[in-house]
Amino acid sequence: DIQMTQSPSTLSASVGDRVTITCRASQTVTHSLAWYQQKPGKAPNVMISRVSNLESGVSSRFSASGYGTEFTLTISSLQPDDSAIYYCQQYHLYPITFGQGTRLEI
Amino acid sequence: QVQLQESGPGLVKPSQTLSLTCTVSGDSIRRGSHYWSWIRQPAGKGLEWIGRLSLTEGTTYNLSLKSRVTISLDTSENQFSLNLVSVTAADTALYYCARGRDGFSVFDFWGQGALVTVSS
Repeated sequence: DIQMTQSPSTLSASVGDRVTITCRASQTVTHSLAWYQQKPGKAPNVMISRVSNLESGVSSRFSASGYGTEFTLTISSLQPDDSAIYYCQQYHLYPITFGQGTRLEI
Repeated sequence: QVQLQESGPGLVKPSQTLSLTCTVSGDSIRRGSHYWSWIRQPAGKGLEWIGRLSLTEGTTYNLSLKSRVTISLDTSENQFSLNLVSVTAADTALYYCARGRDGFSVFDFWGQGALVTVSS
């Protein structure tokens, strides 16, 4: 199985800050990488697919990059509503695997 | 708007079978271009993909669940189901059904989740 490792596990930041979350894969996933946002009591919501493609309706404050085994999600001009857990997910090989999550506290 | 809704018992006894159904609205499973998956999340923990079903490609399961899992389709009712046999307390989790878009496992629509507790 491909292991996805996110860092940091928890991130505290202030309104207006810019933060970056890293996701590393134990083997290449090429460009098959998505990012999800999960708020308390809600299902995850896909924010980005294919490494850097923003889903419809997602703020341009979110951006992402990477290829192969190393990926980043950057959120600029942090807003209180960005408080959530963020997960990366690879869909290059089965089984589909997720990172352990990064809790972002604003 | 595509919607998914999980249903099934919230309490299952150890060694018995967990059965959940996902009812899809706003999309037709018979269209065949999407994947239909089950994903679970133990309380306070991360996401574990259980398996997926495709009308054109069949089923694929997470081998971590060994041979305990079956995902099946009911196109007449636009539903798909999860059966997990021989459950233990470790199977206690929030179970989500989700749509994998256009032949990829990017999950663009999710159900609200069904909490299943395994306890005697």
